[in-house]
Amino acid sequence: QSALTQPPSASGSPGHSVTISCTGSSTDIGRYDFVSWFQQHPGKAPKLILYEVTKRPSGVPDRFSGSKSGNTASLTVSGLQTEDEADYFCSTSAGTDTYWVFGGGTTLTVL
Amino acid sequence: QVQLQESGPGPLRPSETLSLSCSVSGASIRSPGYYWTWIRQHPRKGLEWIGYITHSGTTYSAPSLTSRVSFSLDSSKNQFSLRLTSVVGADSSVYYCARDGASVGLDVWGRGTTVTV
Repeated sequence: QSALTQPPSASGSPGHSVTISCTGSSTDIGRYDFVSWFQQHPGKAPKLILYEVTKRPSGVPDRFSGSKSGNTASLTVSGLQTEDEADYFCSTSAGTDTYWVFGGGTTLTVL
Repeated sequence: QVQLQESGPGPLRPSETLSLSCSVSGASIRSPGYYWTWIRQHPRKGLEWIGYITHSGTTYSAPSLTSRVSFSLDSSKNQFSLRLTSVVGADSSVYYCARDGASVGLDVWGRGTTVTV
């Protein structure tokens, strides 16, 4: 599996929406729904915000949503808030009993 | 509430062996259904999956690290550990332990520990 491709940066204004893409291949994102997204604030550990493309762990606001089309997964953050400024990483695996690969990360700036 | 906490060494010299432990609270590492995982993050922010060990001791590691990495469980301490031999400068990273709940993914992470070679 190769690393996933994310844009290095994204930005949006408070209250607006932003979408971050994550491109893989037909053997990972294109074939399986094991796509996760993580949020990481500076100096902190990554936090899971989406799994299986669209599912949110308990406590994650519904402003965070996910989708997938072909070999590309997307994270949309709606109603941007200043605390959403962070790095966002996507990840996927080729099923269970195998390993995870990550995107290079996208730095989200809330202007 | 499940919590993980890494503990590790001070600075290492090239060719030495890195040993890290992850203490788990709020869950038993012997409970089936989880993959106790190690991940590292390089200074320029990229995340790299290292490998995991299951409740039964089954392990799996990233192909690029298989020859140097091993994992173990210590049920008495509810800990799992990573051992990476022959370290080089490129192994300098923040190392995280995490719980992989299979379909749920990497849902609980430790705070990370910095390893410098």
